[in-house]
Amino acid sequence: GAVVSQHPSRVICKSGTSVKIECRSLDFQATTMFWYRQFPKQSLMLMATSNEGSKATYEQGVEKDKFLINHASLTLSTLTVTSAHPEDSSFYICSASHGLADTDTQYFGPGTRLTVL
Amino acid sequence: AQSVTQPDIHITVSEGASLELRCNYSYGATPYLFWYVQSPGQGLQLLLKYFSGDTLVQGIKGFEAEFKRSQSSFNLRKPSVHWSDAAEYFCAVGAQAGTALIFGKGTTLSVSS
Repeated sequence: GAVVSQHPSRVICKSGTSVKIECRSLDFQATTMFWYRQFPKQSLMLMATSNEGSKATYEQGVEKDKFLINHASLTLSTLTVTSAHPEDSSFYICSASHGLADTDTQYFGPGTRLTVL
Repeated sequence: AQSVTQPDIHITVSEGASLELRCNYSYGATPYLFWYVQSPGQGLQLLLKYFSGDTLVQGIKGFEAEFKRSQSSFNLRKPSVHWSDAAEYFCAVGAQAGTALIFGKGTTLSVSS
């Protein structure tokens, strides 16, 4: 099956610093990647949709200047949390889709646990 | 508004007993429906999906789900639960398989011996 990886799996940073999270589709080309955020004991909330070569589409309430998303190639999307604060601490999960047919399932990465001190 | 409701926050089932996790959705168009499982600190694994056709779908690990349009439900079932099934289960709906999904809040499954 299709595999999506994320790096790092866990990161701790100081308040005010920036953190970059990578999402890679390992064995397929992902025309679309999604970034979700999951708070403890809660559901996944879509943050943004990113299509290769174009600007990401952010969900309402998500600060695009704080959560920078780049989808520079068909196998890589990055999420950069800029000037991180403790309230940004969360579990970030990406997913990727072929986009070739309407029945193509999206595949989820293992997630990145961000802790901001 | 589009939404997914999982009425049960936490369920405990004895090992070997049957399981049913409930999922109701509100969606304007024909929904694509999914069940995912998440182990602690892990990403999501797809258990099964429904797009069209037979309303009873089989998934991995012995799970099945039944789509009932009249009830806007997509309940997940397993005839005999194993201790390794203890995890968080999410129901999700989307416009298409490859589009962003709307997730329910999840149901935590505990398995007692």
